[in-house]
Amino acid sequence: DTAVSQTPKYLVTQMGNDKSIKCEQNLGHDTMYWYKQDSKKFLKIMFSYNNKELIINETVPNRFSPKSPDKAHLNLHINSLELGDSAVYFCASSQGPFGGISGANVLTFGAGSRLTVL
Amino acid sequence: AQSVAQPEDQVNVAEGNPLTVKCTYSVSGNPYLFWYVQYPNRGLQFLLKYITGDNLVKGSYGFEAEFNKSQTSFHLKKPSALVSDSALYFCAVSPRGFQKLVFGTGTRLLVSP
Repeated sequence: DTAVSQTPKYLVTQMGNDKSIKCEQNLGHDTMYWYKQDSKKFLKIMFSYNNKELIINETVPNRFSPKSPDKAHLNLHINSLELGDSAVYFCASSQGPFGGISGANVLTFGAGSRLTVL
Repeated sequence: AQSVAQPEDQVNVAEGNPLTVKCTYSVSGNPYLFWYVQYPNRGLQFLLKYITGDNLVKGSYGFEAEFNKSQTSFHLKKPSALVSDSALYFCAVSPRGFQKLVFGTGTRLLVSP
């Protein structure tokens, strides 16, 4: 049973299109994240939700809009795709947010969604 | 600004030899420190973390890491490398009290038979 699952695994699309990536976790975690990994393997936080509430929103173009219908799901919608959006997008979850009572939370990552914009 | 440095893009080691993957950080206070590993076409997997106490932390797959406060380092080590350890390794830092986890740029470990 996959702990953090994301769909689709691969996404190839044209510039200007709109696309979504879905993420679900069955770990009972309160906090979920979207990370972007570029072609040089740099990993950067995009968003984080805790119990459906947005708690981290890094400097990301507003073409990216996360949505968390419940604490087990965090979806990422991208409007007007650009070439520079090509990357691997990772969903992750943790028991609680960083900076919280426990603090040293461990992230569980999904397998990634590779987005290629042509 | 909080940052994590992994000074080596790649580390090459022969199977059976000890390995070290370096990590230094620039964070005020006593941060939480982590190592994650990424195998090809997979998400990152947690290896170990330092919270407090003993400076030597043991983790999964025989890996360990040594916290050195004076040198602000958290190097990953393994006494005897396996070919299957070949992967991309990320150091990460979370400043206490901040809702943030900062990843290093990653170090590719290549273990040759």
